[in-house]
Amino acid sequence: AQKVTQAQTEISVVEKEDVTLDCVYETRDTTYYLFWYKQPPSGELVFLIRRNSFDEQNEISGRYSWNFQKSTSSFNFTITASQVVDSAVYFCALSTMDSSYKLIFGSGTRLLVRP
Amino acid sequence: SAVISQKPSRDICQRGTSLTIQCQVDSQVTMMFWYRQQPGQSLTLIATANQGSEATYESGFVIDKFPISRPNLTFSTLTVSNMSPEDSSIYLCSVEDQGKTGNTIYFGEGSWLTVV
Repeated sequence: AQKVTQAQTEISVVEKEDVTLDCVYETRDTTYYLFWYKQPPSGELVFLIRRNSFDEQNEISGRYSWNFQKSTSSFNFTITASQVVDSAVYFCALSTMDSSYKLIFGSGTRLLVRP
Repeated sequence: SAVISQKPSRDICQRGTSLTIQCQVDSQVTMMFWYRQQPGQSLTLIATANQGSEATYESGFVIDKFPISRPNLTFSTLTVSNMSPEDSSIYLCSVEDQGKTGNTIYFGEGSWLTVV
């Protein structure tokens, strides 16, 4: 069975702090994709990153970085020097070949960045 | 990346009525999906919209309640039928974009439905 766990329900930080959002996934498939999405209060889901199971390289995009570790089935997301505009709900998601690449979402982590 | 437009963006609906949500994509896509997000919850897949054939529904969702059309590769509709307050949710259309580096799934801006 496929599953995504985001154990942190809500995180509150002060602006300019670094924050890491955890994501742990379960799948027996060897071919799969992992995603992070941002959902601001307006409701749309903004795509942040896709990582396939064969590429364990970490990625950095501006203040965002992602740490993919197959050994621990984790795909964690770090925001460096957080800003108020980073306040949103962040979803980690998994898609696998066996599930016809339909997205399986975690429960989301609500991030509040206080000025 | 694919640009996805949804209509309506918000609506307040009366109990017992039906509402159709439209999803328009700016390019042809093979896979289109409809998700529901109930207040404070994560996203749940309702169905895969298949072009030219009946949609494929996930467990817990039925065609009578959520009829879906997909007349071509750029457009789909989801109808929420005989609405009750429990149907108050954000409904999101998504598409699979087969880019050069692999398949990415993008979402529309969502349709916020409140049933009163």
